[in-house]
Amino acid sequence: AQSVTQLDSQVPVFEEAPVELRCNYSSSVSVYLFWYVQYPNQGLQLLLKYLSGSTLVKGINGFEAEFNKSQTSFHLRKPSVHISDTAEYFCAVTIDTGGFKTIFGAGTRLFVKA
Amino acid sequence: GAGVSQSPSNKVTEKGKDVELRCDPISGHTALYWYRQSLGQGLEFLIYFQGNSAPDKSGLPSDRFSAERTGGSVSTLTIQRTQQEDSAVYLCASSLGAGENTEAFFGQGTRLTVV
Repeated sequence: AQSVTQLDSQVPVFEEAPVELRCNYSSSVSVYLFWYVQYPNQGLQLLLKYLSGSTLVKGINGFEAEFNKSQTSFHLRKPSVHISDTAEYFCAVTIDTGGFKTIFGAGTRLFVKA
Repeated sequence: GAGVSQSPSNKVTEKGKDVELRCDPISGHTALYWYRQSLGQGLEFLIYFQGNSAPDKSGLPSDRFSAERTGGSVSTLTIQRTQQEDSAVYLCASSLGAGENTEAFFGQGTRLTVV
């Protein structure tokens, strides 16, 4: 069965420090990979996506993620976080099983402290 | 429409009553998803539509939950005999649904409170 695992439910970090939010997936078929962000009291919006090609993808607000097929991972990184990055981050996988289904991880709450 | 629209935005209902939640996807999007977001629980997949058919209903928590989609557009999620544990934010998302066009666009959600 396909699944998405976000290894950390909460990540506290100080402002201007680097951060990595981890995501692993399991699937025996080709996938598309996404990170979504949900700021407090707002809806989910797309942060970045991997469809094909270069395994390092860049998104909005200085975030980037690297697709590692052998480790089935898609970790999200930012070299220097801001207070405004405090939000919930969701990793998602779309799987082609004849139709396309998107599965989300449970989310990681990033809390940036001054 | 310009985005995914959900109604109502908030719903308070008494335990045991039925509720209907509505989702208007982005025009032309063939795929439609319902998710539930409970406090501290992340996103829980409920059901997925491709056109009017639902190839995956595996996430519906019980037979009190049902959903339909008509005309390849509007979808309704119905919860019968609501229970307090049904209280959550119900999110709808749509996508073009094929190939690389599977980015999901989310509505603002319906916050359901069962009292």
